[in-house]
Amino acid sequence: DAGVTQSPTHLIKTRGQQVTLRCSPKSGHDTVSWYQQALGQGPQFIFQYYEEEERQRGNFPDRFSGHQFPNYSSELNVNALLLGDSALYLCASSLMGDYSNQPQHFGDGTRLSIL
Amino acid sequence: EDKVVQSPLSLVVHEGDTVTLNCSYEVTNFRSLLWYKQEKKAPTFLFMLTSSGIEKKSGRLSSILDKKELFSILNITATQTGDSAVYLCAVENTNAGKSTFGDGTTLTVKP
Repeated sequence: DAGVTQSPTHLIKTRGQQVTLRCSPKSGHDTVSWYQQALGQGPQFIFQYYEEEERQRGNFPDRFSGHQFPNYSSELNVNALLLGDSALYLCASSLMGDYSNQPQHFGDGTRLSIL
Repeated sequence: EDKVVQSPLSLVVHEGDTVTLNCSYEVTNFRSLLWYKQEKKAPTFLFMLTSSGIEKKSGRLSSILDKKELFSILNITATQTGDSAVYLCAVENTNAGKSTFGDGTTLTVKP
């Protein structure tokens, strides 16, 4: 049973560039949430996708955008990269309407470094 | 706005010691409180707590939730060097999938 997979593992970009990160949810999950984890801090919620729509959003500028595909996989796009965007980006999947109280499953993340 | 505060920020102990990690929270429409262990990469799920006063145990780890006082503790007994990690506390609101995390407690266990 494949868990949450993210690609790429590491990425180096320069200021002003654009980046796309990818996530495949755990089999059977239909909801994907993205988090940004800066060094020494806990993950911060960016947004959540369900049924190919953004359902919730955290306090992130619109340089951060996303997409969900019919197969439930998702992309996170960041435009006009800033030094402060350097972080570990985590994807988590879950099943919407799951009343069995199962936790989200996290991928190993993409480490993004901005030079 | 949902908020989670963890203490202490860091802790250094020796093998065999017992540690208690704290988590206080403010959240609208509480669904659950979760504890994770993070070593470099993905947070690894430890416990999900939804009801007050019911202790959850897994080996040397245990956790309990107090929904009246809005806090939780994670206990680790007989610590081992392999317990060295960042321990994260998070709360979920009723829309599962959106978690608010604390900044974690960095635990270092020395031989």
